[in-house]
Amino acid sequence: SQKIEQNSEALNIQEGKTATLTCNYTNYSPAYLQWYRQDPGRGPVFLLLIRENEKEKRKERLKVTFDTTLKQSLFHITASQPADSATYLCALISGGYNKLIFGAGTRLAVHP
Amino acid sequence: DADVTQTPRNRITKTGKRIMLECSQTKGHDRMYWYRQDPGLGLRLIYYSFDVKDINKGEISDGYSVSRQAQAKFSLSLESAIPNQTALYFCATSDLTGETRKETQYFGPGTRLLVL
Repeated sequence: SQKIEQNSEALNIQEGKTATLTCNYTNYSPAYLQWYRQDPGRGPVFLLLIRENEKEKRKERLKVTFDTTLKQSLFHITASQPADSATYLCALISGGYNKLIFGAGTRLAVHP
Repeated sequence: DADVTQTPRNRITKTGKRIMLECSQTKGHDRMYWYRQDPGLGLRLIYYSFDVKDINKGEISDGYSVSRQAQAKFSLSLESAIPNQTALYFCATSDLTGETRKETQYFGPGTRLLVL
């Protein structure tokens, strides 16, 4: 069956460290993959998109990698800050579809 | 995102009642979506609409119906609410602009629904 998996356990890190979140998928061939941020009680907000032919994408302190062989995307936040604390969702769209499929998200807590 | 608004923000209703959740957008996007979010399950697609005359079922459409009244408005109805429809509901929009089919989605603030 098709699955998108993100670590359901919260990730706790110290301020200033790099946070790394993982998104694994099975039985999809995504044309691209997106990452969203969601704060409590609010809707998800788009952060980054990476295409299947791209290995890495950066935006300020954010970096996303996409390994279609491993069927995995990694999301990194460097020099993390308490304000980065949120739930991060990955989402993919597979070739013939026009809909996003979302993972359940991983909660990140950055401690001062 | 103030460009996508949802009403009401919170709603408590009783089993068997019919309720409507409304979504409006000022982004000028053709595509609109309704999702529900449950703890540990992530966002699941209920219905989506690619233009005013196009309505499609998502993965969990049973017990729900929608109406696309205009490009800017997409409402979700629960015909006879049941407790397992208690969830956080999000409306989203998207547009196939730019150089690729990016399908970036813009979400409303959500409606928290409790069915007793």
